[in-house]
Amino acid sequence: DSGVTQTPKHLITATGQRVTLRCSPRSGDLSVYWYQQSLDQGLQFLIQYYNGEERAKGNILERFSAQQFPDLHSELNLSSLELGDSALYFCASSVGAGGGPETQYFGPGTRLLVL
Amino acid sequence: GQQVMQIPQYQHVQEGEDFTTYCNSSTTLSNIQWYKQRPGGHPVFLIQLVKSGEVKKQKRLTFQFGEAKKNSSLHITATQTTDVGTYFCAGNSGGYQKVTFGTGTKLQVIP
Repeated sequence: DSGVTQTPKHLITATGQRVTLRCSPRSGDLSVYWYQQSLDQGLQFLIQYYNGEERAKGNILERFSAQQFPDLHSELNLSSLELGDSALYFCASSVGAGGGPETQYFGPGTRLLVL
Repeated sequence: GQQVMQIPQYQHVQEGEDFTTYCNSSTTLSNIQWYKQRPGGHPVFLIQLVKSGEVKKQKRLTFQFGEAKKNSSLHITATQTTDVGTYFCAGNSGGYQKVTFGTGTKLQVIP
């Protein structure tokens, strides 16, 4: 158990819909990262937040958005869903801002299926 | 932008054989990390390398960071079925740059 929690574990929805994925980082971690992993694919970095502020942006679509709240939990919002958005979405957390050597602790992931 | 490639993409080995995966970055890295993802699981941190030419060992696993800090390798001696999974390297170029994960090497160990 990494200490990072993600809800829900599974999500099935239809095209055009909007969903929200939630992540709670490890106690004491200030950074939250979001990744997308499609079937048998690598980890695509989406976005990072550090202490409530956006720190780094990766290959995140305009239909997707995220935020980190004062209690440090984060939400990833996916809207106008398409079939191709079906994937495993991981959240990870780390202590600092990520500029130096830091371990990322991954949550169990949310498996999204868009029908 | 920074790209991190891993080879091979897939590797099947007989139990007891050795296995190596290589990680190559398009830019110089300040540090590199290795993660393992078991089938159906999430990535789990294995190790971190910071110094040029650094070599670290964890039981049957040996990790190397290249002299130029642009490549790294993970070598597993005498693979076991518990080694099955996908191995990712993750590089950081320093400053406030995002960590870039490699493409991953999926290891299958045949008993």
